[in-house]
Amino acid sequence: SQELEQSPQSLIVQEGKNLTINCTSSKTLYGLYWYKQKYGEGLIFLMMLQKGGEEKSHEKITAKLDEKKQQSSLHITASQPSHAGIYLCGADTNAGKSTFGDGTTLTVKP
Amino acid sequence: DGGITQSPKYLFRKEGQNVTLSCEQNLNHDAMYWYRQDPGQGLRLIYYSQIVNDFQKGDIAEGYSVSREKKESFPLTVTSAQKNPTAFYLCASSPLRGLEQFFGPGTRLTVL
Repeated sequence: SQELEQSPQSLIVQEGKNLTINCTSSKTLYGLYWYKQKYGEGLIFLMMLQKGGEEKSHEKITAKLDEKKQQSSLHITASQPSHAGIYLCGADTNAGKSTFGDGTTLTVKP
Repeated sequence: DGGITQSPKYLFRKEGQNVTLSCEQNLNHDAMYWYRQDPGQGLRLIYYSQIVNDFQKGDIAEGYSVSREKKESFPLTVTSAQKNPTAFYLCASSPLRGLEQFFGPGTRLTVL
């Protein structure tokens, strides 16, 4: 089965610093999604990437999908306390199912 | 406001009892999903449905059952056969498979 590995598992940064979260797949990704979750709540959709080399940005968050479509990165510029939470990558497999990484817990220290 | 709702937010049940978690959406989405999330882990797919009166097993369907009698509703029953039911359950919907999913707020089930 297709698995998504996220790294790091957790991250603590000082407010204002940049950070990157990675999501690596064992197989070609047909659609890669980034979500944010506050503990004990539902997921909020951030971005979807489908094409190799694709890059999307929303406010201070940028996500990229590599050319081989097996790795994606989420980059946050000038982090703020509001960025704190759990970031999950998800993907559609060629079997038509959805799979998710284990998440990266981000803490931003003021 | 369009959205997806789950109720209740917290649910407690005794071991051996079946329990049904509610999921309703008014987004007119065709596809709906149920996931289970355990502490420190990602989401695991329990069941999904792409159309009314049809649903498919996900990766961890054993001990769970669903129905999709109406487009807007996709209830999940956690049966007594589920060996470790205590978890956070998330429902989601999307216009079609392969598009971004919209998530409900989740139900935290605790079996005592």
